[in-house]
Parts: sequence; C-alpha cells; structure tokens
Amino acid sequence: EVQLVQSGGGLVQPGGSLRLSCAASGFTFSSYDMHWVRQVPGRGLEWVSALGSTGDPHYSGSVKGRFTVSRENAKNSLYLQMNSLRAGDTAVYYCARAGGLVGMDVWGQGTTVTVSS
Amino acid sequence: DIQMTQSPSSLSASVGDRVTITCRASQTISSYLNWYQQKPGRAPNLLIYTASTLQSGVPSRFRGSGSGSDFTLTITTLHPDDVATYYCQQSYITPFTFGPGTKVDI
Repeated sequence: EVQLVQSGGGLVQPGGSLRLSCAASGFTFSSYDMHWVRQVPGRGLEWVSALGSTGDPHYSGSVKGRFTVSRENAKNSLYLQMNSLRAGDTAVYYCARAGGLVGMDVWGQGTTVTVSS
Repeated sequence: DIQMTQSPSSLSASVGDRVTITCRASQTISSYLNWYQQKPGRAPNLLIYTASTLQSGVPSRFRGSGSGSDFTLTITTLHPDDVATYYCQQSYITPFTFGPGTKVDI
C-alpha cells in the first residue's frame, strides 16, 4: 500500500524548534518530489516547502530561513526542521508526494504543531 | 508570488445539480493547475491535475478545464458525498500557491 506516515508534531514555545518526519512506503521514494503543506484549523491550505528527488529545496516566503527540508532516500524519509517557531506557525502539517509538476497525489495523515507559551 | 483566487467562496446546491467553481491565477500558469477536495478532519485528495486530467479513481462527474490564467472545476451531477471544500493550486512555479477554497454544501 502506498502511504505516508507522519510523526514529530507537538507543543513548543515561541522561538523553539521541532522536527517533523514523514515515512514513505509502497513506492520508490527516491523518484518523487516531496512537499510540506500546512493548514491552520478552519483555514485554507498553505504550501510550505518542496524537495525534488535530486534538486534544490524550495520554501514559502513565510518560512524561508527558519525551516529546512531534507530527505534520506535510503530510509524512505522526508523531514522538516522548524526553527525560530512563531505562533503563526501553529497548524496541521501534511507531507505529500508529487510526480513532477503534477498534483500531490498521496498525503500523510497530518501532524499538529502548536506554538504557544 | 502567483496569487490564486477562487469564486464563489461557498455555495449551496441540490443533489443532481451542476456545480461550477472558478479559479484565477494572477499570471499565466499554462496548464499547471490542480484541484483538490478536502473533507473536515481529512487530508486533501487530488481530483484533477494539469487543469483537465482526472486523477485515477476519481469519479468522472468531476471535470476540469482552462489554461493560461482562468480555470474551472465542474461537478456535473452533485452527489451528497461531494460536500467538501475545493482548492485549486498552481504547480507552475514555487511557491506553489493554493486558492482560498470553495465550500460546497447541499
């Protein structure tokens, strides 16, 4: 079964750090672009970051310089290192698979990040 | 950044109705436009990619059209299971922005 299983969310204080993980199975992970998308509860979707199978990382302006996306193809895993967290980063974070410039066809279950003192 | 707009922001229709949602990009994005359906508490589900290609397993009542900067998602015959929020998203250039969403009720 093709799936993405996420872990690593939680409660963190402003200015703190958190690392999200996304474990892939059922497909050749190394061949796909991977994305992070977040959603404030009750609000719309916001694209956060992407990392191609061999390319450079890309970030939204709201997280650039604070978040770092990486992958370990040998472990079929995607990561999002989030530093200098702000209250505005509070959201459900999803990882997703995309085949190039086409849509994101497989999504993780989502993990909640809460930034609060 | 490319801005995506959608209209309407919400709509209410009857079972069997034809429903149309429009999406506009602030600049041309060729056909790099995707549509997603999201139900409460669930991850988004890809319906249409590259403006008009139906994702495998998605019912044929969902249709996408358009190119350049104007796009349309049509549900030809609304089913009760189609109650959800629908988002467009451009995959032409990063940041891969989403539209604000259209909530569909019955």
